[in-house]
Amino acid sequence: KAGVTQTPRYLIKTRGQQVTLSCSPISGHRSVSWYQQTPGQGLQFLFEYFSETQRNKGNFPGRFSGRQFSNSRSEMNVSTLELGDSALYLCASSWGGASETQYFGPGTRLLVL
Amino acid sequence: SQQGEEDPQALSIQEGENATMNCSYKTSINNLQWYRQNSGRGLVHLILIRSNEREKHSGRLRVTLDTSKKSSSLLITASRAADTASYFCATETQANDYKLSFGAGTTVTVRA
Repeated sequence: KAGVTQTPRYLIKTRGQQVTLSCSPISGHRSVSWYQQTPGQGLQFLFEYFSETQRNKGNFPGRFSGRQFSNSRSEMNVSTLELGDSALYLCASSWGGASETQYFGPGTRLLVL
Repeated sequence: SQQGEEDPQALSIQEGENATMNCSYKTSINNLQWYRQNSGRGLVHLILIRSNEREKHSGRLRVTLDTSKKSSSLLITASRAADTASYFCATETQANDYKLSFGAGTTVTVRA
């Protein structure tokens, strides 16, 4: 069974631009979660989607948004990029959510210049 | 603030030795999970332990959970160079808020 895939793997953007990251979960998984990882803040929860519904959102500004499609694939968007948005963005999928094992993708490393 | 905190922050051991790291958390949980991350890559799930369980094993890994002390420990026995990684605990609180809260992690270096 194919694992969680994330595209692109690496991205360089400049301040003020916007970016869209994509996550394809393991087949059959309906929950997709997104996390931001930085050296200073560690792993921070962004949001979780289940069957196209956002069930929870972390403490991030409105510039961070996401969505999930009917095939469970998910995208997250960051508008008006800031230097502090430079991070590794990880998505994880599972059958039903945080009560279960999370399967993480390799991440998208975003550098904002 | 983070729900879980690992201790120690870093650990250096000789190949073949055991490595123990601890995780403390603040609020009551449904489950606690341990993950490994190699050099800035994705996280790999190790063990999930539910709040009504006290101990779980998986290969060379042993996890304990003490809900009265709000703490968990991960023991890696007979460590290998390939165990060099960062280890994170993550908790799902009883708020059932569909998210995992991660600790800052323990960086383990296994010397050959």
